[in-house]
Amino acid sequence: DTGVSQNPRHKITKRGQNVTFRCDPISEHNRLYWYRQTLGQGPEFLTYFQNEAQLEKSRLLSDRFSAERPKGSFSTLEIQRTEQGDSAMYLCASRPGRHSGNTIYFGEGSWLTVV
Amino acid sequence: AQRVTQPEKLLSVFKGAPVELKCNYSYSGSPELFWYVQYSRQRLQLLLRHISRESIKGFTADLNKGETSFHLKKPFAQEEDSAMYYCALSGYGNKLVFGAGTILRVKS
Repeated sequence: DTGVSQNPRHKITKRGQNVTFRCDPISEHNRLYWYRQTLGQGPEFLTYFQNEAQLEKSRLLSDRFSAERPKGSFSTLEIQRTEQGDSAMYLCASRPGRHSGNTIYFGEGSWLTVV
Repeated sequence: AQRVTQPEKLLSVFKGAPVELKCNYSYSGSPELFWYVQYSRQRLQLLLRHISRESIKGFTADLNKGETSFHLKKPFAQEEDSAMYYCALSGYGNKLVFGAGTILRVKS
């Protein structure tokens, strides 16, 4: 499967612990996105990278959240001091550069449960 | 502000009946509109986008700027159409803004 890959697929953690999710985008896609989805809602934008540069962050991304894409390939999303309200599906997506249209391809997501 | 509204949480129709999933948007410029679909246990995937003006799996959607709508339609529903459907808008920046989604349930 050459699609967007995310791991772990599921994570259960105790409140206050740190968690990290990894996303491997489709090869040669220079744009990478993180979204969060809770039950009954559509995906909500968190942040966006073009290559290694983080170009936009949502107000939803509190100081406890940090995302990186060090070499412009894979990305990580870390949540520090997790809270029960962080329980959600974290989706990663990627797309090619501007000349390739605007189709964004999604991964299968990483489920986080904070207990 | 960019906003997408899908007023129906659930739409239940019989096989062979017409389907219309409603989507309204709020955006001051010229948006690009999309429909994404998520089948059971599968990832979110693009169904169609307004700039392509294409029909995918029998579905069509027309952008109506006057009514700020982008409703998804299919004349004859099939059981395999049962899924979650999201309308999305791409405007400022390079991100998609999604509606809350509509579950389509096609009954035999």
